[in-house]
Amino acid sequence: DQQVKQNSPSLSVQEGRISILNCDYTNSMFDYFLWYKKYPAEGPTFLISISSIKDKNEDGRFTVFLNKSAKHLSLHIVPSQPGDSAVYFCAAESGGYQKVTFGIGTKLQVIP
Amino acid sequence: NAGVTQTPKFRILKIGQSMTLQCAQDMNHNYMYWYRQDPGMGLKLIYYSVGAGITDKGEVPNGYNVSRSTTEDFPLRLELAAPSQTSVYFCASRMKETQYFGPGTRLLVL
Repeated sequence: DQQVKQNSPSLSVQEGRISILNCDYTNSMFDYFLWYKKYPAEGPTFLISISSIKDKNEDGRFTVFLNKSAKHLSLHIVPSQPGDSAVYFCAAESGGYQKVTFGIGTKLQVIP
Repeated sequence: NAGVTQTPKFRILKIGQSMTLQCAQDMNHNYMYWYRQDPGMGLKLIYYSVGAGITDKGEVPNGYNVSRSTTEDFPLRLELAAPSQTSVYFCASRMKETQYFGPGTRLLVL
């Protein structure tokens, strides 16, 4: 049973445009959400996070939105750059640092 | 700082062989994790540790063992390798909300 779902396996966007990556979750106990970025043959790297008490968090070109009632979050990248081409994992956790549940990832391709 | 290091980068095992995947971090983080990533799938938690001497099972612990004798090292042991353990293994350490991942070990069991 996938508790964190990324239903779009891939996404192509023109350079300079907005990239929107979506994530849905089923476990209402999740209270912290994270996005990780992964390049081929490398480990994931932390990108941005959001607590369940917020509905938006911004860091430069990256913004994460959380809609708790819909159990949905999204990552916006504006403007998209070719270096953003990677796999993006949505992740969620509850009650501390013990366990993090990851989605299967969305592969983003930014076309120059 | 080297961050999180993993060895080996790649290994081929025969069914029934055993091996240890090494993981070390130099950031003095208490929390450490082992994940596996199968093709087209997300990361699945195998084991985690909240400090030296303390480990606990994650989502997919069967066929694996861990130990944590020091803060720095968190080795993952496969006792009887099976084809189902073919995967990419990632080790991570954590400070607050951020996990820092190693580059991964690609394991092929034939």
